Amino acid sequence: GIQVEQSPPDLILQEGANSTLRCNFSDSVNNLQWFHQNPWGQLINLFYIPSGTKQNGRLSATTVATERYSLLYISSSQTTDSGVYFCAVRAGGTSYGKLTFGQGTILTVHP
Amino acid sequence: SAVISQKPSRDICQRGTSLTIQCQVDSQVTMMFWYRQQPGQSLTLIATANQGSEATYESGFVIDKFPISRPNLTFSTLTVSNMSPEDSSIYLCSVEPGTANYGYTFGSGTRLTVV
Repeated sequence: GIQVEQSPPDLILQEGANSTLRCNFSDSVNNLQWFHQNPWGQLINLFYIPSGTKQNGRLSATTVATERYSLLYISSSQTTDSGVYFCAVRAGGTSYGKLTFGQGTILTVHP
Repeated sequence: SAVISQKPSRDICQRGTSLTIQCQVDSQVTMMFWYRQQPGQSLTLIATANQGSEATYESGFVIDKFPISRPNLTFSTLTVSNMSPEDSSIYLCSVEPGTANYGYTFGSGTRLTVV
């Protein structure tokens, strides 16, 4: 099956800093999402981005499908950005089916 | 996008007992998915549930341990049977995109602790 690798596994920032999270995947995909898991375990959908670039406030994401990677940018980080960030993909070739998750990046933002 | 109501949000259970988790979706969906997230780990798919057919289980998960019901297109349950402390996890349900440009939606999760 498809493999998803995220880096870095852990990231510690001071409030106000910028960061880039990376997601590499081993095969073509037709669905890619970035999620933020809050301390209560809820998964918040940040971006649906199988290709191209999107921005939402301080967050933006870029997926280069031909090179099999995606990047999540967080600018001017805040303590509320802390949590685990997951990349999840659905392998190309089907229009339905499961998401495969990466191992996540644990982000800690200090005041 | 679909809205999923998942309950209970958390529970503490005695070993050897069973817990049933429910997910209600505000629209009809073909496929529902059940995931497990063990402490400090990523999400792993348990099974895919289609209405009117047996659930399809991933390697390492069996129906006797995680029976699933899918009685209609808006509802599903996952039961964690004969629980042990190793079953302590967050369990989440998910549905496929209702529109082309949104992605999968997840329930709010059930945090299960087995003592």
